[in-house]
Amino acid sequence: GAGVSQSPSNKVTEKGKDVELRCDPISGHTALYWYRQSLGQGLEFLIYFQGNSAPDKSGLPSDRFSAERTGGSVSTLTIQRTQQEDSAVYLCASSLSRWRVLTNEKLFFGSGTQLSVL
Amino acid sequence: QQQVKQSPQSLIVQKGGISIINCAYENTAFDYFPWYQQFPGKGPALLIAIRPDVSEKKEGRFTISFNKSAKQFSLHIMDSQPGDSATYFCAASTIKAAGNKLTFGGGTRVLVKP
Repeated sequence: GAGVSQSPSNKVTEKGKDVELRCDPISGHTALYWYRQSLGQGLEFLIYFQGNSAPDKSGLPSDRFSAERTGGSVSTLTIQRTQQEDSAVYLCASSLSRWRVLTNEKLFFGSGTQLSVL
Repeated sequence: QQQVKQSPQSLIVQKGGISIINCAYENTAFDYFPWYQQFPGKGPALLIAIRPDVSEKKEGRFTISFNKSAKQFSLHIMDSQPGDSATYFCAASTIKAAGNKLTFGGGTRVLVKP
């Protein structure tokens, strides 16, 4: 497909379990972002990947959260020992993000993974 | 500071009316201000964006007004239509820095009544 693909679309898990969320960015997009959207709230930045550079992890809320991006394409966000406050929609976005080229700054978002921790 | 404050949280407007959403920011390093539109069950999509070297940008029925000295910007939706019913997010970032890490406002849920 032409857009950002995320899977699963919904995930229900029990408190304390680990979960993995997957993001397949648009082909050719070098930048990949993870955001979290809690109910009725704005989007909270989690992590950013740009090519082969070290990721910007400054938004990860705790060490239970980690992410990787393999081969500069697919990314996986892992949440260990899930807590009820982790319940949210996890959104992935990608962009061409060539530095200071404004026309490439548009972020393309996937439809998100709705995570529910019981 | 990285905060972007958005108001109102929700808005009801009659078809044909004007929807106005306001945002304020603190970080003077921000130099890119996009607005994203989100429909239920979908990810946000870029609607319109502005750089601080202009005070207004218009695309169709959507206009961004930007006040650099007040550190405020707003979205006006003219001739609002039921299809405009969605959640709107303002955002800000610093393009000079590596990556376009957006800081989002809290969102405004707009309902356009027919």
